[in-house]
Amino acid sequence: SQTIHQWPATLVQPVGSPLSLECTVEGTSNPNLYWYRQAAGRGLQLLFYSVGIGQISSEVPQNLSASRPQDRQFILSSKKLLLSDSGFYLCASTPQGSRNIQYFGAGTRLSVL
Amino acid sequence: AQTVTQSQPEMSVQEAETVTLSCTYDTSENNYYLFWYKQPPSRQMILVIRQEAYKQQNATENRFSVNFQKAAKSFSLKISDSQLGDTAMYFCAFMKPGGSNYKLTFGKGTLLTVNP
Repeated sequence: SQTIHQWPATLVQPVGSPLSLECTVEGTSNPNLYWYRQAAGRGLQLLFYSVGIGQISSEVPQNLSASRPQDRQFILSSKKLLLSDSGFYLCASTPQGSRNIQYFGAGTRLSVL
Repeated sequence: AQTVTQSQPEMSVQEAETVTLSCTYDTSENNYYLFWYKQPPSRQMILVIRQEAYKQQNATENRFSVNFQKAAKSFSLKISDSQLGDTAMYFCAFMKPGGSNYKLTFGKGTLLTVNP
């Protein structure tokens, strides 16, 4: 079975600073990878997904970007954080051979002050 | 586009009792998957149960079962013998298979509290 690692677990950043959140997957190859954001008290919003190295699709226009430099690595970035970027960020993966189930990492809590 | 609606923002149940969480969805697709995810206070998203739309039989996982009504586009979750550890936010989600995306569309969630 696959394991999804996210770090850091918690992050406090000032407005205008850069951001890099990392997600790595173990136990499968060629996964589909997803970044979600969960604002306080709300559901999950899909931000980006990737079906392969270097292939990124954006779901909503925003201040964030994503990259997939390796098969099992997915990075969420920003050059300048906004207050509205605060939230809980979850990485998810659908393993090869079982695309119809998404598994989630433990998430990163980001506070922009 | 698909939408998922959870009409109960909060629910509570006594330990050992049964509770049902509601979910409705809107889609023009005939083949799809439905999910219930649980998010405890740790905020880890945990898959509870999955239903394939082309299967008429309702999915069951131990104390968790669903009532899938395809024509009514309804997908409720029943939790039997509720335990304190069931306290969590529960999300209903829809997935349209095919292509390469396999994206999930989530409802806004139902906060379930199990009381001792």
